[in-house]
Amino acid sequence: KAGVTQTPRYLIKTRGQQVTLSCSPISGHRSVSWYQQTPGQGLQFLFEYFSETQRNKGNFPGRFSGRQFSNSRSEMNVSTLELGDSALYLCASSLPGQFYNEQFFGPGTRLTVL
Amino acid sequence: AQSVTQLGSHVSVSEGALVLLRCNYSSSVPPYLFWYVQYPNQGLQLLLKYTTGATLVKGINGFEAEFKKSETSFHLTKPSAHMSDAAEYFCAVSDLAGGGNKLTFGTGTQLKVEL
Repeated sequence: KAGVTQTPRYLIKTRGQQVTLSCSPISGHRSVSWYQQTPGQGLQFLFEYFSETQRNKGNFPGRFSGRQFSNSRSEMNVSTLELGDSALYLCASSLPGQFYNEQFFGPGTRLTVL
Repeated sequence: AQSVTQLGSHVSVSEGALVLLRCNYSSSVPPYLFWYVQYPNQGLQLLLKYTTGATLVKGINGFEAEFKKSETSFHLTKPSAHMSDAAEYFCAVSDLAGGGNKLTFGTGTQLKVEL
């Protein structure tokens, strides 16, 4: 069974640009969550999508947005990039369900903002 | 709000020695607790989890953790460290109150294993 895939793996952007990251969940998984990992702030929850609807949202500015498609693939977008957005962005998928299900993480997308 | 505190951002042990990584949590409801491991340039891999039932949880690679409600702790242990255990370890708690799969992570502990 293929794991969670994230594309691209590495990305370099400049301040003010926008970026779109993609996540393909494990087959059959309908929940996709996104996390930001930085040396200073650690791992922080961005948002979760389930059945194309945002189910949970972390404490990030509106520049961070996401969506989920009918095939459960998810994208996250960051507009007007800032230097502080440089981070490893991790995507995790899990089976559908009302309660917690084990999340499987992808390898991440390393975003560098210059 | 739930939170997790990991004591010690860096831990160094000798190969063959006991590994003990500390995690304390704060939660107003019965928590779901997890330990994840992250190797360089990789995502997170689940080592073990506590949901309900037995408080001593066994995971992969010989790791185990014990949920102690009275101490609000969920420390990770391994009897004998191996060089391949060198990685960063994260303790996490699940926020079920809002529904869904939100995880709150600790700041991580970098484990170094020396010969």
